[in-house]
Amino acid sequence: DGGITQSPKYLFRKEGQNVTLSCEQNLNHDAMYWYRQDPGQGLRLIYYSQIVNDFQKGDIAEGYSVSREKKESFPLTVTSAQKNPTAFYLCASSVDGISTDTQYFGPGTRLTVL
Amino acid sequence: GENVEQHPSTLSVQEGDSAVIKCTYSDSASNYFPWYKQELGKRPQLIIDIRSNVGEKKDQRIAVTLNKTAKHFSLHITETQPEDSAVYFCAGDFGNEKLTFGTGTRLTIIP
Repeated sequence: DGGITQSPKYLFRKEGQNVTLSCEQNLNHDAMYWYRQDPGQGLRLIYYSQIVNDFQKGDIAEGYSVSREKKESFPLTVTSAQKNPTAFYLCASSVDGISTDTQYFGPGTRLTVL
Repeated sequence: GENVEQHPSTLSVQEGDSAVIKCTYSDSASNYFPWYKQELGKRPQLIIDIRSNVGEKKDQRIAVTLNKTAKHFSLHITETQPEDSAVYFCAGDFGNEKLTFGTGTRLTIIP
């Protein structure tokens, strides 16, 4: 899992601003995922992508957007439409994108809205 | 939709004793049940998984059992050590190409 990185580690945002979280992997994995982690709520799927130029909404996609222009990169934009964006965001990748693949997680980005 | 319930939310165990975490699910269309461990300040990592064609799987001090009829699966850690302290997440795939995670169990090993 050392081959998947996220930046920045900490991010502060003012209300009403959009912000983009970076996720990069050099594992040659086809699939990438974004999760949100809140205390007591586990990991909730925001978006996922099984192949370049294609992505699907997860369980809590409202207020978020993604792109997958390159295999290595899957940035997440938290828009001003997201009502409660303060959370810990985790990116993950897997080889083929089938649900039985092991997912490898990045170190996470902690977003705080001021 | 898919739902995975995980219990307990917190668990304290004396070092050397066993710990058991249980997850139940509502959708029977699931074939794969992984467990992830997240140490404080670190990323989640897969520690063990089980597929629906087996009832139990072991890896040293860690084991997972699956009861498809009752729709529950459990993580068993024996001879617990301080480094087992972490948050553990169960998950399941429900035939829709993504995992649904439980809410997590914070395990504390008391020296």
